[in-house]
Amino acid sequence: GENVEQHPSTLSVQEGDSAVIKCTYSDSASNYFPWYKQELGKRPQLIIDIRSNVGEKKDQRIAVTLNKTAKHFSLHITETQPEDSAVYFCAASRYTGTASKLTFGTGTRLQVTL
Amino acid sequence: EAQVTQNPRYLITVTGKKLTVTCSQNMNHEYMSWYRQDPGLGLRQIYYSMNVEVTDKGDVPEGYKVSRKEKRNFPLILESPSPNQTSLYFCASSTDTRGEKLFFGSGTQLSVL
Repeated sequence: GENVEQHPSTLSVQEGDSAVIKCTYSDSASNYFPWYKQELGKRPQLIIDIRSNVGEKKDQRIAVTLNKTAKHFSLHITETQPEDSAVYFCAASRYTGTASKLTFGTGTRLQVTL
Repeated sequence: EAQVTQNPRYLITVTGKKLTVTCSQNMNHEYMSWYRQDPGLGLRQIYYSMNVEVTDKGDVPEGYKVSRKEKRNFPLILESPSPNQTSLYFCASSTDTRGEKLFFGSGTQLSVL
């Protein structure tokens, strides 16, 4: 089955700096890669996703890049703000024709300091 | 308001006492699933359902049961809870039929003593 590794497990940046979280996946047939943000005590929420036919996607201060050859994808947050502090999860999935099965990474705790 | 509602939010129980965690969504989603979240392990899928009366195992189904008799409800049943099932549980539904864009409930913190 799919295995998703996520690094780093914790990340501390100063407000205004950029943050990068990296994930690698094992199943070359995976074709959908979402990122979820979970604030303390809250539910995970989808913040951005990318499909395998796209190399990069941006939404305001966040972007995701995908390298299919190397089987890794990354989340980039620019101009970080205190409200970006949260745990971020990457995931990878492959559509089997009936359903997509998401496999999550172990999470990155991002701390944005003033 | 579109939402996935789980109950209860917190539950403390003892080993072997059957319990049910309810999940209901008001978005008419066909796809629903259950995850457990443990420190250092991320989110792991327990069961999922593509539609009414259709359920399938996820990565960690042992010790759990589900049913999908109505589109809006997807309860998680622990017939004989054990301490290793102490975890934070999330129900989710998907805005698409593939089960990709998940919308999570608020979570249920379960402690089995």
